[in-house]
Amino acid sequence: ETGVTQTPRHLVMGMTNKKSLKCEQHLGHNAMYWYKQSAKKPLELMFVYSLEERVENNSVPSRFSPECPNSSHLFLHLHTLQPEDSALYLCASSQDPGQDYEQYFGPGTRLTVT
Amino acid sequence: QKEVEQDPGPLSVPEGAIVSLNCTYSNSAFQYFMWYRQYSRKGPELLMYTYSSGNKEDGRFTAQVDKSSKYISLFIRDSQPSDSATYLCAMREKTSYDKVIFGPGTSLSVIP
Repeated sequence: ETGVTQTPRHLVMGMTNKKSLKCEQHLGHNAMYWYKQSAKKPLELMFVYSLEERVENNSVPSRFSPECPNSSHLFLHLHTLQPEDSALYLCASSQDPGQDYEQYFGPGTRLTVT
Repeated sequence: QKEVEQDPGPLSVPEGAIVSLNCTYSNSAFQYFMWYRQYSRKGPELLMYTYSSGNKEDGRFTAQVDKSSKYISLFIRDSQPSDSATYLCAMREKTSYDKVIFGPGTSLSVIP
């Protein structure tokens, strides 16, 4: 285990549903990330939070809404998703700043949009 | 040109073989280089991390960086079936701690 947990591990939702993904890190890190991993494509960085403030938003559609209430928890709120949003959503955390930089990943949430 | 390129495979080798996984990149400002291993239905786990040209060894794994050629490699000696996974290279600039660029991954199968 990497110290980063994600729930749920699998999620099937319709396009009109609202759901949330949760991530929790037990490593004492203060930066957290959401990535999207689609088949045969590189990981796509979606959001970055450093010290609970958002520092990156890579033109992600507004149907994805992140929330970082504290340095240990990160949420991704989902609403009116599209079938092309089906993917593995990975959460990661790291120490920020730090020259010896490592991101630790959770196991991911496999999302299927029907 | 993509920032990071990686042969997607799949790569299939017999147990005990030496495996070479490679990535090329275009951004000369990249200074930190990582290799992640991702098993099916799992998140990526960090295998190797280096920030200098040359070789870094950890058990059966050796990471090699050639900044002049913008080329990095991961060598796996005495490969085992448990090494079967997708291997992702990743890299970033010195101060861009939050902008790690990943390659698409190489799928490796080690056949007993």
